[in-house]
Amino acid sequence: EAQVTQNPRYLITVTGKKLTVTCSQNMNHEYMSWYRQDPGLGLRQIYYSMNVEVTDKGDVPEGYKVSRKEKRNFPLILESPSPNQTSLYFCASSQNKLLQGISNNEQFFGPGTRLTVL
Amino acid sequence: GENVEQHPSTLSVQEGDSAVIKCTYSDSASNYFPWYKQELGKRPQLIIDIRSNVGEKKDQRIAVTLNKTAKHFSLHITETQPEDSAVYFCAAKRVSSGGYNKLIFGAGTRLAVHP
Repeated sequence: EAQVTQNPRYLITVTGKKLTVTCSQNMNHEYMSWYRQDPGLGLRQIYYSMNVEVTDKGDVPEGYKVSRKEKRNFPLILESPSPNQTSLYFCASSQNKLLQGISNNEQFFGPGTRLTVL
Repeated sequence: GENVEQHPSTLSVQEGDSAVIKCTYSDSASNYFPWYKQELGKRPQLIIDIRSNVGEKKDQRIAVTLNKTAKHFSLHITETQPEDSAVYFCAAKRVSSGGYNKLIFGAGTRLAVHP
């Protein structure tokens, strides 16, 4: 089954304790992205990756890190979490059809990770 | 950069009525406009999308219209049913300086369909 998976689905942690949220996709997608969802603010992009070893900042990258060592995995790292990073996080992936001159692609979302930082 | 505004933030309709959600975008270079539906506690899922070379697209009870001149696009749901209740997000794709495509989302519309 084609899917995007995230772990953990729920996490409660304390300020300053490093954590990693994993994301994996089995669709051989080049493009992967992390979003956070907060009430009234919609989906805001944190980081994205166009392919292995290619990552770039989204709109709200402060306090986050990512890596893309393999095509299927795109972990989100919070080195020193703070309460303002309490949020619902979604990983997403899609083909990068831009390189083939096709202008659109569907993003598939993971199930979400609800993070609470105390 | 691209900015997407979505209205209304909440919408309440009676079952069987139509619902319309509107979005405006700022970047005239945007050329792909998807709509996502997020049911309570679940992930966003694509329900319909439209490219800039098309003015309207329909899929059963849902349709999307695009006005490139005015830079706005709308989602129309006819004969609404309680299972249409969800948060709907519009989005616009813009090409960043690196030539990569990025989706910019609106803030979402919470639609409630009352029996």
